[in-house]
Amino acid sequence: ETGVTQSPTHLIKTRGQQVTLRCSSQSGHNTVSWYQQALGQGPQFIFQYYREEENGRGNFPPRFSGLQFPNYSSELNVNALELDDSALYLCASSLAMERPPGTGELFFGEGSRLTVL
Amino acid sequence: ILNVEQSPQSLHVQEGDSTNFTCSFPSSNFYALHWYRWETAKSPEALFVMTLNGDEKKKGRISATLNTKEGYSYLYIKGSQPEDSATYLCAFINGNNRKLIWGLGTSLAVNP
Repeated sequence: ETGVTQSPTHLIKTRGQQVTLRCSSQSGHNTVSWYQQALGQGPQFIFQYYREEENGRGNFPPRFSGLQFPNYSSELNVNALELDDSALYLCASSLAMERPPGTGELFFGEGSRLTVL
Repeated sequence: ILNVEQSPQSLHVQEGDSTNFTCSFPSSNFYALHWYRWETAKSPEALFVMTLNGDEKKKGRISATLNTKEGYSYLYIKGSQPEDSATYLCAFINGNNRKLIWGLGTSLAVNP
């Protein structure tokens, strides 16, 4: 049990719709990262938030957006869903003592599995 | 493009065997290397974060070494047990942007 919770655990959407995934970070953690894991692939970094500011972004289009709240929980929003967005979305929190963060262990949630039809 | 490669992709061993696998990463501008274990139906669990060339870390029967000059890290499991069955992922952090770049993992199955 990492203390990182994600919701929903599973959801099904259709192409063109929008989705919001939520993540509650472990108590005391100030950094949240989001990852996409498609079938047969390693996790792909989407973006990271450190103290409510975006701190880095992977190669994902602008329709992937996020927020980090004052309590350090986070949301991942995906607009105009495409079939290829079907994947497991993982959230990980960590405690960073520096900017940019890099060496803190990541504590992962169990993920939200998105299916786009 | 920075690539992280893990080998082998999968392996099957008998209970009690010792095993090791490799994570290869770019040797320039190294910042840190992470190892994670991901069991089916669970979330990835951190094993090690390594930052210095020559680092050796150990957690129970699992240990890891790091060679930043040649760009590889080994993960060793001594006396494998069925509960070690999982996918082992490594992630490299480049010093330029501090983003984690993940390998595809090594899937380990330990037969009782």
